[in-house]
Amino acid sequence: GQQLNQSPQSMFIQEGEDVSMNCTSSSIFNTWLWYKQDPGEGPVLLIALYKAGELTSNGRLTAQFGITRKDSFLNISASIPSDVGIYFCSYSGAGSYQLTFGKGTKLSVIP
Amino acid sequence: DAGITQSPRHKVTETGTPVTLRCHQTENHRYMYWYRQDPGHGLRLIHYSYGVKDTDKGEVSDGYSVSRSKTEDFLLTLESATSSQTSVYFCAISGTGKNYGYTFGSGTRLTVV
Repeated sequence: GQQLNQSPQSMFIQEGEDVSMNCTSSSIFNTWLWYKQDPGEGPVLLIALYKAGELTSNGRLTAQFGITRKDSFLNISASIPSDVGIYFCSYSGAGSYQLTFGKGTKLSVIP
Repeated sequence: DAGITQSPRHKVTETGTPVTLRCHQTENHRYMYWYRQDPGHGLRLIHYSYGVKDTDKGEVSDGYSVSRSKTEDFLLTLESATSSQTSVYFCAISGTGKNYGYTFGSGTRLTVV
């Protein structure tokens, strides 16, 4: 089956630091989506990537769709306490609207 | 924004009892999904629906059944709850076309004792 590896599993950073996390897969995908889950809530879509090499920003967040179509990364610049949560990458294959999710990166921000 | 709501938000039930969780959407989206979230496993798909009365199994469907008798409602049933089904359950909806990212509900925390 398709393997999706998300790393790191968890991160503890100081407020103001930049953060980087990534996902890699064993297969080629058409779409990468990044979600954030606040404690006690459902995941919320942050950024969607639809073609290889695409680089997209949403405020302090930047995500890229890897050129090989097998990976994606998410960067957060100048972290703030409200960045705390679990970040999930997800992908869909050709002709499918069904998403598969990574296991998540749990981010903790120390004020 | 309450385009998708789950009920109940919390439930404690005894082993062996049937449990039904409800997902209701007001977006008229075609696709609906049930996921469970457990530490170390992320989000795993249980069942999904691609239309009224059209459903299919996901990665972890054993012990679960679903029904979708109308577009807006997707029910998840645990026929005989077990402790391994203690989890947080999320419903999600999605449309079609390019921008089909999921919208998730707020989750149901189910504890089977």
